Amino acid sequence: DQQVKQNSPSLSVQEGRISILNCDYTNSMFDYFLWYKKYPAEGPTFLISISSIKDKNEDGRFTVFLNKSAKHLSLHIVPSQPGDSAVYFCATFQGGSEKLVFGKGTKLTVNP
Amino acid sequence: SAVISQKPSRDICQRGTSLTIQCQVDSQVTMMFWYRQQPGQSLTLIATANQGSEATYESGFVIDKFPISRPNLTFSTLTVSNMSPEDSSIYLCSVRRGQGNYGYTFGSGTRLTVV
Repeated sequence: DQQVKQNSPSLSVQEGRISILNCDYTNSMFDYFLWYKKYPAEGPTFLISISSIKDKNEDGRFTVFLNKSAKHLSLHIVPSQPGDSAVYFCATFQGGSEKLVFGKGTKLTVNP
Repeated sequence: SAVISQKPSRDICQRGTSLTIQCQVDSQVTMMFWYRQQPGQSLTLIATANQGSEATYESGFVIDKFPISRPNLTFSTLTVSNMSPEDSSIYLCSVRRGQGNYGYTFGSGTRLTVV
């Protein structure tokens, strides 16, 4: 039973446009969320995070939005660049522990 | 934040054999985590490895299949034992990203193919 769901396995956007990656979660007690980016043949790298006390966190071209009532978060990348092409995972901590649980990932392709 | 060296980066193994994956961290860490990513699936936690004690395994994973060593605060190994094609996955180790920071740093992964 997946606790974190990324329902879109892939997304393709044009360079310069906005990329929106979505993530849903099942447990309203989850209070911290993270996004990771993964290139082929590399481990995931931390991108951005958000605490449940906020509804938005911004870092350069990357913004994460959290809608607690809908148990939904999204990652916005503006403007998208070809180097952003990667698999993006959302994650949270399982049951207040230090264990991360991940979604299945969304493969983003940014076309020049 | 910590830097992790993981090896091998990939291997092709015969069924019934075992493979040991190593992770070396450039700083001392209390906990190391081992993950598996099967094709098309999310990263799944296999076990948490603490120095000086037995690893704690998640549901569905057992020590006989995935023995873990943690001889010191900078090193850990994961062995995939008696492999079958279903063990073909990417295996990753991970440590926490620095004091007070949530989230984790990952090794570059080991891509295992069992034939």
